[in-house]
Amino acid sequence: DAGITQSPRHKVTETGTPVTLRCHQTENHRYMYWYRQDPGHGLRLIHYSYGVKDTDKGEVSDGYSVSRSKTEDFLLTLESATSSQTSVYFCAISESFIDDANYGYTFGSGTRLTVV
Amino acid sequence: GQNIDQPTEMTATEGAIVQINCTYQTSGFNGLFWYQQHAGEAPTFLSYNVLDGLEEKGRFSSFLSRSKGYSYLLLKELQMKDSASYLCALDGNNRLAFGKGNQVVVIP
Repeated sequence: DAGITQSPRHKVTETGTPVTLRCHQTENHRYMYWYRQDPGHGLRLIHYSYGVKDTDKGEVSDGYSVSRSKTEDFLLTLESATSSQTSVYFCAISESFIDDANYGYTFGSGTRLTVV
Repeated sequence: GQNIDQPTEMTATEGAIVQINCTYQTSGFNGLFWYQQHAGEAPTFLSYNVLDGLEEKGRFSSFLSRSKGYSYLLLKELQMKDSASYLCALDGNNRLAFGKGNQVVVIP
């Protein structure tokens, strides 16, 4: 398919526990992103990466950290999960150009995280 | 920063035409995307506008006016499967900034 997979697809965790979500791509794209989607807010950028070990914060980065040790994997960690982090998390990949063969950004299927 | 506004919901009849608007304020961007998102699924690409004007792709068309800070997505010959959320997003600095999305409900 699109060459991007997220795991797990669903997770329920308790407040205060650490949680790591994984995004894996087979497209060798340079850029990877983590977004969260909440009712009334749309998709908001948490963190993104522009290469191995190169990451930067998005608009809602508090409480989250990321790591990218390999081109194909981008991990999102909630150090101590809170109920406000209950959300659907989407990973995306892109290259830095858009043409008829490259639609720019491709999204994973999402991870539904519930913090209780 | 960027501010992107979309109406929240609209209802339209099967076979009709619907226009979804997106207004924005930004200091600069490369282009504007439209995505379709069905409930519980990932956003999927519909269109990308860089230059002012209309881009047509089958039943879907998208328009951009940079001077007015405005874009719209036109859906023609509506089908039941078009019931979804439609997301407007600005592409700049190698990342996307999204509006809140517009839920379109198609009724028979």
